[in-house]
Amino acid sequence: DAMVIQNPRYQVTQFGKPVTLSCSQTLNHNVMYWYQQKSSQAPKLLFHYYDKDFNNEADTPDNFQSRRPNTSFCFLDIRSPGLGDAAMYLCATSATTGNQPQHFGDGTRLSIL
Amino acid sequence: AQSVTQLDSHVSVSEGTPVLLRCNYSSSYSPSLFWYVQHPNKGLQLLLKYTSAATLVKGINGFEAEFKKSETSFHLTKPSAHMSDAAEYFCVVSEARGRRALTFGSGTRLQVQP
Repeated sequence: DAMVIQNPRYQVTQFGKPVTLSCSQTLNHNVMYWYQQKSSQAPKLLFHYYDKDFNNEADTPDNFQSRRPNTSFCFLDIRSPGLGDAAMYLCATSATTGNQPQHFGDGTRLSIL
Repeated sequence: AQSVTQLDSHVSVSEGTPVLLRCNYSSSYSPSLFWYVQHPNKGLQLLLKYTSAATLVKGINGFEAEFKKSETSFHLTKPSAHMSDAAEYFCVVSEARGRRALTFGSGTRLQVQP
């Protein structure tokens, strides 16, 4: 089945230690998104790629960056994680933007020690 | 600008009874509307979508939703709740034009009592 895969499912890092989360897709979708979801809240969009075109949300902290080396893979880099960055991170894809539904991975739960 | 309001943060029903999760939206353009479900420690799964075709939309697992433009509503229903329906449900709006991403409601947690 075509799908969105996130690795690892659980990640523990130390305060201030850089961490990278990965996402891959077999849907061949043009758009890939990264969301942050804190407990009992809706997902919050951090940024998205349309092909190689990077689109950052205005309120995404500079601490968060992303790379998309090819259609299938996208990475979320957190340069210096703080305690407030502990959350579930969701990757999603869609064929295009606008009114297209998004397909989500199962997420990576990030804990900060 | 687009926005979504989910009118109930928690809904509790008994197994076998109907489910109603309420959603109101605001959109400057013709919206597309979605319902997603999220089980604990899982990603979001698309239940159904409305994209300006039939106003009554049928989704997976027996769920359906009706788009009512006059009421700006898109309520999610199911005739008979199952224990496996217990989860968080998100109503989501997306405008057809432009490159805006999805706008999520705050979510409704559905509890199903045996």
